[in-house]
Amino acid sequence: GAVVSQHPSRVICKSGTSVKIECRSLDFQATTMFWYRQFPKQSLMLMATSNEGSKATYEQGVEKDKFLINHASLTLSTLTVTSAHPEDSSFYICSATGILSTNEKLFFGSGTQLSVL
Amino acid sequence: LAKTTQPISMDSYEGQEVNITCSHNNIATNDYITWYQQFPSQGPRFIIQGYKTKVTNEVASLFIPADRKSSTLSLPRVSLSDTAVYYCLVVKDSNYQLIWGAGTKLIIKP
Repeated sequence: GAVVSQHPSRVICKSGTSVKIECRSLDFQATTMFWYRQFPKQSLMLMATSNEGSKATYEQGVEKDKFLINHASLTLSTLTVTSAHPEDSSFYICSATGILSTNEKLFFGSGTQLSVL
Repeated sequence: LAKTTQPISMDSYEGQEVNITCSHNNIATNDYITWYQQFPSQGPRFIIQGYKTKVTNEVASLFIPADRKSSTLSLPRVSLSDTAVYYCLVVKDSNYQLIWGAGTKLIIKP
């Protein structure tokens, strides 16, 4: 299947700093990318949907000024957690879809564990 | 979007067949059913997808009755490495804004 690369896989930062997470589709054009967060032992929660070249659509309750999403190309989307605080510590996962001939249409990154001290 | 309901947890033993049933009463005509597997601290991994009747691939089978209000994921001859959380999702053909339920935590014992 297609590959979505996400990194870093783990990041530890100090409170108040910003962290950027990258999500790349390696072998297909990702017209749409999704960003999720997942707390321990909980399910995935959709944060935002981004279409290439457009502003991201954020889910209710997700601060767009805190979680900046950029999807400037068909192979790259970034999530920047600005002024991170300990409550932002979570597992962040991206997924991507595009024009694919495979039965599987949605591909996930391996996730980023963010720990804010 | 149709929400799904599935058991919170299940136990089984190595070598057994495991069936996880999911209900999706509000599934729409154009929706299809997808199952994902997730290990701790990893992204979800696609298992199987179907629209109706039966679908089989190298790792699982998916059974969907005619009314499509439920589906059953069948894992043949499970091993310890199949211990994971399994998510059942209803997906619209036009977008992939998925509603993730709690999933089923499957524990395989030796």
